[in-house]
Amino acid sequence: EAQVTQNPRYLITVTGKKLTVTCSQNMNHEYMSWYRQDPGLGLRQIYYSMNVEVTDKGDVPEGYKVSRKEKRNFPLILESPSPNQTSLYFCASSHGQGSLSGANVLTFGAGSRLTVL
Amino acid sequence: AQTVTQSQPEMSVQEAETVTLSCTYDTSESNYYLFWYKQPPSRQMILVIRQEAYKQQNATENRFSVNFQKAAKSFSLKISDSQLGDTAMYFCAFPSTGANSKLTFGKGITLSVRP
Repeated sequence: EAQVTQNPRYLITVTGKKLTVTCSQNMNHEYMSWYRQDPGLGLRQIYYSMNVEVTDKGDVPEGYKVSRKEKRNFPLILESPSPNQTSLYFCASSHGQGSLSGANVLTFGAGSRLTVL
Repeated sequence: AQTVTQSQPEMSVQEAETVTLSCTYDTSESNYYLFWYKQPPSRQMILVIRQEAYKQQNATENRFSVNFQKAAKSFSLKISDSQLGDTAMYFCAFPSTGANSKLTFGKGITLSVRP
């Protein structure tokens, strides 16, 4: 089954304890991205990757890191989590290195609920 | 920069009735796509429907259809014969131009279908 898999689905942690949210896709997609969802704000992009070893900041990158060493994986790293990073996180992927018209539909993972105490 | 506005935070509809969710956007582009995503209580983001801006015909997917008015930059979603399973948050989304396939999302509308 074609899918984007995120882990963990739920995590409660404490301020300053490094954590990684993994994301893997089995569709051979070039493009991958991370979003966070907060009440009243919709979804906002954190980082994206056009292909292996190519990453760039989205709208809200502060406090996050990513890497793209393999095409299928795109982990999100919180080096020193803070309570304002409590959120619902989504990984998404699509074909193509770009989407000038938006024809490439994003496939989303199931989401990861993160709570930082 | 593209913006997407969903001004109604919540709506409610009786089962089997029709409801329309509103969305407006702003862009300088002439050719683009627009999307509606559904997020049920499971939190999964599900693509409901998409519209190509150069097509005059409004997109339809079973009970879901759009009213796309390009000049007015309006992209509303109509749900006919509402079902309890339609209860969800609905997001209007607009892709950015350029190399980044970022979707700019509206703030979402929480739709409740009453039995």
